[in-house]
Amino acid sequence: RKEVEQDPGPFNVPEGATVAFNCTYSNSASQSFFWYRQDCRKEPKLLMSVYSSGNEDGRFTAQLNRASQYISLLIRDSKLSDSATYLCVVNVYNTDKLIFGTGTRLQVFP
Amino acid sequence: GAVVSQHPSWVICKSGTSVKIECRSLDFQATTMFWYRQFPKQSLMLMATSNEGSKATYEQGVEKDKFLINHASLTLSTLTVTSAHPEDSSFYICSASGTATYEQYFGPGTRLTVT
Repeated sequence: RKEVEQDPGPFNVPEGATVAFNCTYSNSASQSFFWYRQDCRKEPKLLMSVYSSGNEDGRFTAQLNRASQYISLLIRDSKLSDSATYLCVVNVYNTDKLIFGTGTRLQVFP
Repeated sequence: GAVVSQHPSWVICKSGTSVKIECRSLDFQATTMFWYRQFPKQSLMLMATSNEGSKATYEQGVEKDKFLINHASLTLSTLTVTSAHPEDSSFYICSASGTATYEQYFGPGTRLTVT
C-alpha cells in the first residue's frame, strides 16, 4: 500500500464549480499534513497546512480526519488559474521528511 | 521570504559526464536541505536529507557514490550526479527547511537530460 494515496484524476470542472479532493495516508503516527500545488514542469508550492480542526483560506478548505487517516481539500468557485496538480503531503513521524502523494490533476475549463 | 534558488534550471549532458546542481536559500538559513527526484507523471521521491556540516542521509535505493551531496554552509547545498546515464534524466528539486514546523520551501527545480 502506498504511504499517501490520491485519486490521480483528472478532474475536469467548469469555472465556478466546487471540487473536492481526497487523500489517505498509512502511518497513523504522522504529525503534519499539507496540500501543495504543482504546475506543469514547475516545483511544488505550499497551498496550505492542514490542521485537526480543519482550516480555510479563501476559497480553499482543508479537513483532516485522524481516525480515518483521511485528508480532504475543497475548492469553491473554481478559477481557470486553479488548474494544476494538487499534492497531498504527510510528514514522516518525528522527522522533517515529507512523503508526497502522486497528485490529483485539476483542469478548470471556461 | 523563504526563497530557494536552484542552478542550473536545465542541463543537457552526455552519458558518463558529471553534473553539479546548486541549491541556495536566499533569505534564511537552512539547517536542513532535501533533494528530490521526479520522473514524468510520478510523485516527488526523496533522495537524501542534507544537514549543514555533516554527511547526507540517503534514502534506501539511492546510491550515495553516484549522487554526491555537499552542504558546506547554511545557505548552500550541492548535488553532483556522477557518471550520468540516460536513466538519470529527471527533474531534480531541492527544498529547505529552517523551522520546526515541517514546512519545506522548494527551489524551482533542475531538469536534467542525459544523452
